[in-house]
Amino acid sequence: DSGVTQTPKHLITATGQRVTLRCSPRSGDLSVYWYQQSLDQGLQFLIQYYNGEERAKGNILERFSAQQFPDLHSELNLSSLELGDSALYFCASSVGVRTGPDLFFGSGTQLSVL
Amino acid sequence: GQQVMQIPQYQHVQEGEDFTTYCNSSTTLSNIQWYKQRPGGHPVFLIQLVKSGEVKKQKRLTFQFGEAKKNSSLHITATQTTDVGTYFCAGHGSSNTGKLIFGQGTTLQVKP
Repeated sequence: DSGVTQTPKHLITATGQRVTLRCSPRSGDLSVYWYQQSLDQGLQFLIQYYNGEERAKGNILERFSAQQFPDLHSELNLSSLELGDSALYFCASSVGVRTGPDLFFGSGTQLSVL
Repeated sequence: GQQVMQIPQYQHVQEGEDFTTYCNSSTTLSNIQWYKQRPGGHPVFLIQLVKSGEVKKQKRLTFQFGEAKKNSSLHITATQTTDVGTYFCAGHGSSNTGKLIFGQGTTLQVKP
């Protein structure tokens, strides 16, 4: 158990819908990261939040948004879902701004868009 | 933008054979990390290399960071069935963020 909690584990929805993925970082970790893993794209960095503020952005679609709350948990919102958004979404957390041996991944949310 | 390429994509070996995966970045990296993801699991941190030419060992695993800090390799000696999984390298650029660019990964299958 990495200490990073993601909910739900599985999500099945239809095209055009909106979903919210939730992540609770390890106790004491201030950074939260979101990654998308698909078969053909590997692990793609989406976004990083540090202590409530956006710190780094990757190839995150405009239909996707994220935020980190005062209690440091984070949510990733995916809207106007398309078939291609089907993927495994991982959250990870670390203590500081830069990752090192302290980067831990959650178990992921498997999103299926039908 | 920064890209990290990893080869091979797949590798099937007989138990006891050696295995190597290679990682190349389009830009100089401040450090490189390696992760292992077991089937159905999540990436787990293995090691971080920071210095040019650095070599680190973890039991049967040997990690190298190139002199130019643009390439890296992971070598497993005498593979075991427990080594099955996907091995990712991930690079940090020089920015002061936690943005890691992952390679595509090498999936290792070990036949007993």
